[in-house]
Amino acid sequence: QSALTQPASVSGSPGQSITISCTGTSSDVGSYNLVSWYQQHPGKAPKLMIYEVSKRPSGVSNRFSGSKSGNTASLTISGLQAEDEADYYCCSYAGSSTHVFGTGTKVTVL
Amino acid sequence: QLQLQESGPGLVKPSETLSLTCTVSGGSISSSSYYWGWIRQPPGKGLEWIGSIYYSGSTYYNPSLKSRVTISVDTSKNQFSLKLSSVTAADTAVYYCAGADSADAFDIWGQGTMVTVSS
Repeated sequence: QSALTQPASVSGSPGQSITISCTGTSSDVGSYNLVSWYQQHPGKAPKLMIYEVSKRPSGVSNRFSGSKSGNTASLTISGLQAEDEADYYCCSYAGSSTHVFGTGTKVTVL
Repeated sequence: QLQLQESGPGLVKPSETLSLTCTVSGGSISSSSYYWGWIRQPPGKGLEWIGSIYYSGSTYYNPSLKSRVTISVDTSKNQFSLKLSSVTAADTAVYYCAGADSADAFDIWGQGTMVTVSS
């Protein structure tokens, strides 16, 4: 069970859109529509932003959207804002009631 | 509204067993709507799923930790626990307890507790 691969960092200017990729295998991301995304500010617990690939929990801004193609899931943040600066992690169900997280991406708002 | 709170020693000696408890408030730990998990984060590093326990008592563990991990539930106290044996410095991390619903997403998190392995 290897960690899902994410870019170490992504940056963008306020108002721009950025996309974070999350690459797994046919045993996790590719097999299940059970990819979730988490936002983590420094010193804080992670917060669920997207579940089941593209669904948003109540209260999460519609500027956050998710998608999946094959073994790669993606999180897009549109209309980037200063408050979006944080670490982002993807997570996939990996079968047999196990989960695997991504390596994490630091988002910087320029 | 469900809330989770981790508790346990902040310092554990090498080769000993790390023990943490997560107290669930605002609802029953026995609810079939949720299952419970432990996730850790070494300083400056990413998240790692440790394992999960379902309301039925069934447990599932990260293969890389399986030989050292035990997760259990105490329904009378509305708590679930983590035991990690034979710890080394590599087990130093912030440990989070979390709850996941039928969508297999961890939508409830504790604040996390830092555990340092050192003599």
